[in-house]
Amino acid sequence: GQQLNQSPQSMFIQEGEDVSMNCTSSSIFNTWLWYKQDPGEGPVLLIALYKAGELTSNGRLTAQFGITRKDSFLNISASIPSDVGIYFCAGHYTSGTYKYIFGTGTRLKVLA
Amino acid sequence: DSGVTQTPKHLITATGQRVTLRCSPRSGDLSVYWYQQSLDQGLQFLIQYYNGEERAKGNILERFSAQQFPDLHSELNLSPLELGDSALYFCASSRGTGDYEQYFGPGTRLTVT
Repeated sequence: GQQLNQSPQSMFIQEGEDVSMNCTSSSIFNTWLWYKQDPGEGPVLLIALYKAGELTSNGRLTAQFGITRKDSFLNISASIPSDVGIYFCAGHYTSGTYKYIFGTGTRLKVLA
Repeated sequence: DSGVTQTPKHLITATGQRVTLRCSPRSGDLSVYWYQQSLDQGLQFLIQYYNGEERAKGNILERFSAQQFPDLHSELNLSPLELGDSALYFCASSRGTGDYEQYFGPGTRLTVT
């Protein structure tokens, strides 16, 4: 099935560092969402973006909906150990065919 | 806790068999979505139901079927099972059909031997 390209695939960072990850697609999306998944659990919604150019924050998290509507990024500031997990982007559009597509995931590991 | 419940948590069964996965959405949510997550394919959208009716279809195989009941719980049926069906199956729910903020359940881990 179709997936969005996320990068990096995985990253090790030191506690306190800022983290940046992005998601790109060849298709346009109307909505971008970012989820976090902890081991053995379902994804949890972090941020939803509904307009091209929109910049939204949720605590230490900041995400942006790209102007071209084909990309999005997520930043985590001052990382802490509980930030460990897999971060997924998801894109949604309903023009003709309904699509809700997830990215390939970025696995984040934080070193204390 | 997202408020979405799924049963069973684990399921081990053999090829050729049939299984039913169950999902109860958050209170007040009308939409239910099913996803398959396997190591090599990531999260794949299977199907969406809204208030009892099929609303959108993704990469759902013909061997799989789903339905949403009047009390809004949903079931995903898989039959006949193949080895490649081993995966985590997640259910998610949202308030309406146009709401893209989905809340995921804890998942059912299916192992087909």
